[in-house]
Amino acid sequence: DAEITQSPRHKITETGRQVTLACHQTWNHNNMFWYRQDLGHGLRLIHYSYGVQDTNKGEVSDGYSVSRSNTEDLPLTLESAASSQTSVYFCASSTRTSGQDTQYFGPGTRLTVL
Amino acid sequence: GQSLEQPSEVTAVEGAIVQINCTYQTSGFYGLSWYQQHDGGAPTFLSYNALDGLEETGRFSSFLSRSDSYGYLLLQELQMKDSASYFCAVSGATNKLIFGTGTLLAVQP
Repeated sequence: DAEITQSPRHKITETGRQVTLACHQTWNHNNMFWYRQDLGHGLRLIHYSYGVQDTNKGEVSDGYSVSRSNTEDLPLTLESAASSQTSVYFCASSTRTSGQDTQYFGPGTRLTVL
Repeated sequence: GQSLEQPSEVTAVEGAIVQINCTYQTSGFYGLSWYQQHDGGAPTFLSYNALDGLEETGRFSSFLSRSDSYGYLLLQELQMKDSASYFCAVSGATNKLIFGTGTLLAVQP
């Protein structure tokens, strides 16, 4: 069965360190997204990609970067982790069918920056 | 810009019916989606409305009024397992979704 996975599921790091969160999907979807979820803010879009070599900034992209070298993976990098980046991170992939975007979410990564 | 409003919390009893409203402001509107998220879990897709009217999927129904920029999710015959957060999300010409801040539904026995 197709799926979307994230690793690690939990990560504790220190301020200033570089951190990379992995996202891998076997849906063969062109569209992939990274969100962060914090209490009171719902899901906020960090970066997204519509295909290989394509990346775009979302509403909260400062301090984050992504790269898309293949269809299956969209790793999210925190260049220099800050305490404000403590959050739960969700990766999602989607395809548009008849104007409908159904996004399939990974299980999430809980990141703590000390 | 784009924004969505939904109530932060709703409480209902088992077996009852509950309605979660969502109002939105967006340009280039394509459709309104609803996602469910249990505590500690991933959001999962529930329904999508592109046209005005009611879409029914089992115990869940979703309604859209494009002229009013308004939609709602209707949950019938509530069960304890329906306790979760529910998010509305709008989609436009791009393949992105803009999510509301979520409604926490508490189902009481």
